[in-house]
Amino acid sequence: EVQLVETGGGLIQPGGSLRLSCAASGFTVSSDYMSWVRQAPGKGLEWVSVMYSGGITYYADSVKGRFTISRDNSKNTLYLQMNSLRAEDTAVYYCARHLAGLPGHWGQGTLVTVSS
Amino acid sequence: QSVLTQPPSASGTPGQRVTISCSGSSSNIGSNTVNWYHQLPETAPKLLIYSNSQRPSGVPDRFSASKSGTSASLAISGLQFEDEADYYCASWDDSLNGPVFGGGTKLTVL
Repeated sequence: EVQLVETGGGLIQPGGSLRLSCAASGFTVSSDYMSWVRQAPGKGLEWVSVMYSGGITYYADSVKGRFTISRDNSKNTLYLQMNSLRAEDTAVYYCARHLAGLPGHWGQGTLVTVSS
Repeated sequence: QSVLTQPPSASGTPGQRVTISCSGSSSNIGSNTVNWYHQLPETAPKLLIYSNSQRPSGVPDRFSASKSGTSASLAISGLQFEDEADYYCASWDDSLNGPVFGGGTKLTVL
């Protein structure tokens, strides 16, 4: 059974850093496209970053230069390193395994709150 | 402002058929497939339709979808109270090299 479990969220001050983890089971993270998608309180879904199976990465303009997506194949885990956090980064962050080129299976999400 | 355009709300009564539209452009829907998701409050999105019109295992055939040009639509027939949720469309965008989403449609079953 495919399962994605995100951890690492919490309350962080503006300008701070946080690393989110997405532990996968039932499939191999390095074999599929994987995305981080976020949802601000009361808002819609916003794509944040994608990592191709070959390791190529892309980012939304809103996080480019501040966030870094990576993976640890030995731990079958996807990460999102978030630096220089801003209030507008406050959201539930989901990791998702792609199916037919788009997010298919989603984790339960982890809440990141950026506030002083 | 979302890249894909959806109506913010839709409604229907039990048993009715409702449709939700999703409009994009040549860089996304016009050249790539569309997924649809539904989301209940305080839960993660769940895949409803992939590759324009394919239903994952377990999704009832009351849910159907199609794509034409730069637009897509989701249809729900035999509406049930449990269908009340937020619905999102998504497509790959060749300019952004990532997925783009609609703003979401809140479906109310009256």
